[in-house]
Amino acid sequence: NSKVIQTPRYLVKGQGQKAKMRCIPEKGHPVVFWYQQNKNNEFKFLINFQNQEVLQQIDMTEKRFSAECPSNSPCSLEIQSSEAGDSALYLCASSWGNTGQLYFGEGSKLTVL
Amino acid sequence: GEQVEQRPPHLSVREGDSAVITCTYTDPNSYYFFWYKQEPGASLQLLMKVFSSTEINEGQGFTVLLNKKDKRLSLNLTAAHPGDSAAYFCAVSPQGGRALIFGTGTTVSVSP
Repeated sequence: NSKVIQTPRYLVKGQGQKAKMRCIPEKGHPVVFWYQQNKNNEFKFLINFQNQEVLQQIDMTEKRFSAECPSNSPCSLEIQSSEAGDSALYLCASSWGNTGQLYFGEGSKLTVL
Repeated sequence: GEQVEQRPPHLSVREGDSAVITCTYTDPNSYYFFWYKQEPGASLQLLMKVFSSTEINEGQGFTVLLNKKDKRLSLNLTAAHPGDSAAYFCAVSPQGGRALIFGTGTTVSVSP
């Protein structure tokens, strides 16, 4: 059973709406990752955090997404204005370090109508 | 940057047969390599982590080979059974502490 908890499992949004997903990493893991997995099974790295600080992020995340990992609260990933191309499975993973084994949640499946 | 190619995209085998999935990567400085299994609607499950050069690792029902000289990583399901039906992904940890890069996946279907 996954110890990385993601909510909600499914969300449906209209174009232009906000879409917010949450992730509780495995206890004690300081590094959190967000990946987007599209219908062709392609993974796109979005952003990662070490504790509350952003380590890396891609351009798309910087412009249209907001993400945070506040202390003592779930991490979150929010799409400010959803587009049809954002329909995908959003996977959160946590790790002891930036290059080690990732432990994945079950994902939040976003459908943008 | 690092690129990871995974083949084949789909694999159909009979129960008891073997199935081989291969990933090639471009960055010779990559140093951690992973195979993950994803069943429908479920999380990614780690099958194996390898990091030594030309290493054969055996797991339960599978073998992983890393050949750093050829920059090739392979997963061999040695005697497939229906429970092996899933998507399989390789992942490579590139130099510089950057996030894992995943292959495009192989969907394996094992029929009785």
